[in-house]
Amino acid sequence: DIQMTQSPSSLSASVGDRVTITCRASQSISSYVNWYQQKPGQAPKLLIYAVSSLQSGVPSRFSGSGSGKGFTLTISSLQPEDFATYYCQQSYKTPRTFGQGTKVDIK
Amino acid sequence: EVQLVESGGGLVKPGGSLRLSCAASGFNFSTYTMNWVRQAPGKGLEWVSSISGSSTYIKYADSVKGRFIISRDNAKNSLYLQMTRLRAEDTAVYYCARMVVGPTSEDWFDPWGQGTLVSVSS
Repeated sequence: DIQMTQSPSSLSASVGDRVTITCRASQSISSYVNWYQQKPGQAPKLLIYAVSSLQSGVPSRFSGSGSGKGFTLTISSLQPEDFATYYCQQSYKTPRTFGQGTKVDIK
Repeated sequence: EVQLVESGGGLVKPGGSLRLSCAASGFNFSTYTMNWVRQAPGKGLEWVSSISGSSTYIKYADSVKGRFIISRDNAKNSLYLQMTRLRAEDTAVYYCARMVVGPTSEDWFDPWGQGTLVSVSS
């Protein structure tokens, strides 16, 4: 199975901060990576697919980049509604696997 | 509006069985691969199973193979997960999720249902 490793596991940030979350795959996965946001008690929500494509309705402060094994999710200016847990996911092979999550909370 | 609504969760004893359902609306259900993804309390996301639109291709995570059966009824726009020989470690919120495939064959899960909680305990 392809292992997805996110870092950090958690971070504290302030409103307006630039936040970067990293995801590393155990093998090259080309551009087959997606990012999801999950708030407490809610289902995950798709933010970015195929590395860098923004899902409809997602604010442009979210962006994704990377290729091969290393990928990043960036929030350019953190907003109060962005405090949540973020997961990367690979769609290169079955089983589809997720990173362990990065919890972003208020500093 | 594209919507997925799960049902069927509950408390079950180890070794017991449960059947989850997911009602889909707002899209052409029969043309999409559907998935079950679970999340144990306080833990991350784990893909469980997938089924293609015509039920031709079915896959399972090793952790549930031989115990869970995924199925669908396209006439009813419904997805199912029959869970047998349940274990404590199967305790989780179970989400159904549609798989969307892009033009260059990447795929992603969107949307997700609200989830249904399965608790396995004596």
